Amino acid sequence: EAGVTQFPSHSVIEKGQTVTLRCDPISGHDNLYWYRRVMGKEIKFLLHFVKESKQDESGMPNNRFLAERTGGTYSTLKVQPAELEDSGVYFCASSRDFSGNTIYFGEGSWLTVV
Amino acid sequence: QKEVEQDPGPLSVPEGAIVSLNCTYSNSAFQYFMWYRQYSRKGPELLMYTYSSGNKEDGRFTAQVDKSSKYISLFIRDSQPSDSATYLCAMRATSNTGKLIFGQGTTLQVKP
Repeated sequence: EAGVTQFPSHSVIEKGQTVTLRCDPISGHDNLYWYRRVMGKEIKFLLHFVKESKQDESGMPNNRFLAERTGGTYSTLKVQPAELEDSGVYFCASSRDFSGNTIYFGEGSWLTVV
Repeated sequence: QKEVEQDPGPLSVPEGAIVSLNCTYSNSAFQYFMWYRQYSRKGPELLMYTYSSGNKEDGRFTAQVDKSSKYISLFIRDSQPSDSATYLCAMRATSNTGKLIFGQGTTLQVKP
């Protein structure tokens, strides 16, 4: 069974540009999560999809971040325009059930904004 | 004040040692506690999950939760070089959310 896959694995963009990160959850997992870790900080929750609906987006830092999950399959996280403080690693995760006890993480998309 | 505090280390031990990793937390509503292991440039991998207080054992790993002290621990027996990684504690308050609150992670090095 394929795990959570994320693309791109690494991205370097200039301040003000746009970046779109993609996540493919494990097949059959209705729950999809985005987390991120900026330098020197802990991993922080961004949002949670159940199928195509946003269940909890309380962790989204501001309106420069837009997450979508059309059709309830893969998800994208767009940062527009990117700022220096957006640099970090963005993790996608998925789980089958809603309890969230078994959440599987992808390897992350490393974003550097210069 | 952070909701979850975890000493970032690094922690260096000889092979075969017993390792103790700990987290403290401030939110008394946390009910579900997890430990993740993360190798360099990889995603977090779930090691142990515990509900409420008590102990849970899985092979060389034992997780303990003391809700009265708001303190959780992960013990690794007979540590191996392959255990060298960053260990993250994570927790959440209710069963109807996947929002995990993470500690900063402790970097462990097990020397042969």
